[in-house]
Formats: sequence, C-alpha cells, structure tokens
Amino acid sequence: QPVLTQPPSVSAAPGQRVTISCSGSSSNIGNNFVSWYQQIPGTVPKLLIYDNDKRPSGIPDRFSASKSDTSATLDITGLQTGDEADYYCGSWDDSLSAVEFGGGTKLTVL
Amino acid sequence: EVQLVESGGGLAQPGRSLRLSCSTSGFILNDYNMGWFRQAPGKGLEWLAFVRGRPYPGTTEYAPSVRGRFIISRDDSNSIAYLQMNSLKPEDTAVYFCARRGHSTMPRGSVYFDSWGQGTLVTVSS
Repeated sequence: QPVLTQPPSVSAAPGQRVTISCSGSSSNIGNNFVSWYQQIPGTVPKLLIYDNDKRPSGIPDRFSASKSDTSATLDITGLQTGDEADYYCGSWDDSLSAVEFGGGTKLTVL
Repeated sequence: EVQLVESGGGLAQPGRSLRLSCSTSGFILNDYNMGWFRQAPGKGLEWLAFVRGRPYPGTTEYAPSVRGRFIISRDDSNSIAYLQMNSLKPEDTAVYFCARRGHSTMPRGSVYFDSWGQGTLVTVSS
C-alpha cells in the first residue's frame, strides 16, 4: 500500500481545470519536499514539479502545485487531450529512509 | 542532451541474478546521484535504490523491499550506473528504470528525479 495517498482517477473536459491531491504524513510530505511526475501510457515518467511548486524548464505554467502541512496538490488548467496520463506524487520519507510515491492518479480528459 | 539508456533486462529464473546497466551521457555522472525504479505491469512507480555522487560518492540508500538483495553501484569513469539483482522472485517482474536525481538548492528534504531512461523489462519466471 503506497505511503502517499492519491485518488485513483480524475476526469474533466478539455479546457477545464483539474486538481489531484496527494496525502501523506509528517515523516514525508510534512517535513520534505514534494515532486510530481507525468507518465503518458507507454512512455517514461516525466518530472513536472519539484520542490513543492517549481517547474523544470519546458513545463508549461498550466501545471502548478502547492503543499500545505502533510498534503500536496497538483493543478492542471486548460486541459488538453494530451494531458491524459498517470500522475504520481513523490517525497522522501524520514521514517522509512525511502523515496515514496503515491499510487498514481489516472487523468481522463473527456 | 542528457541521455540514460538501460540494458541487461530479460528473462531470469527464480533465484537467479541479473545485472542492469544504465549508460549515461550529456552530463558528468560524478556530480549526480543516480536512482533505480521499477514498475510492475499495470502498477505504479516503485523506488528501489539510489547511489550518491559527489560529495558522498558511492554511498547508497535502498527501499526496504530490496535491501539485502539488490546492490546499486556506479562507475563514474565509464558513466554507468548498475543494479545487481540477486535471488530474483516472480514479483520482481517489472520494467526497470534508471533516473538522475536532480540538484536542489534546498539544504535537505528535496529528492526528485529529472531525467529517466526508457526502461528495460525484467521477467522472472521458470
């Protein structure tokens, strides 16, 4: 069972906004930074967000994220069909001394 | 351009070993921590291990699920990271990825991976 909890799926129409949550604890999100990854089916994971809210170069500002206490949120605005993918949150866990991921959230753009 | 290319996957019998390689280019391997991950069919991402570069070269961290069975290492002179997998089990069947850990300006608590290889499939079956 993943240490970080994400909803299994979310969906929204093109052009709309969607939010994906990631819930953890004080040993991971509460005391460490969160990253987010996009994995389009059949491809490799791609870094979307690091250090809670920073975008690597080349990631559009339609993708944003935040962290509050032991939870984090990924926001995607102006949804496109190309955004259909699995999204994973990740964080270091001090108690486990491990990198932990959420179980992933499948985004469907209707 | 940063490139990571995994190799060494394939079919292995339970109890046997495999060594995966991650050949890197486009950056100085010594300056980066490198990690290994896997993704079982239809499942999510699982971190397995990482090995540090400078200033703590060769030091390692392992996921509890593979600690004592898998060994991560690096050859900076040839820009390759390795994952030695021993006592393989059917549940080790997965696509295995290597990835480069990103540099952060944060003093601690920042662990993320900014470049990923294409993955290599490991199938453990008799």
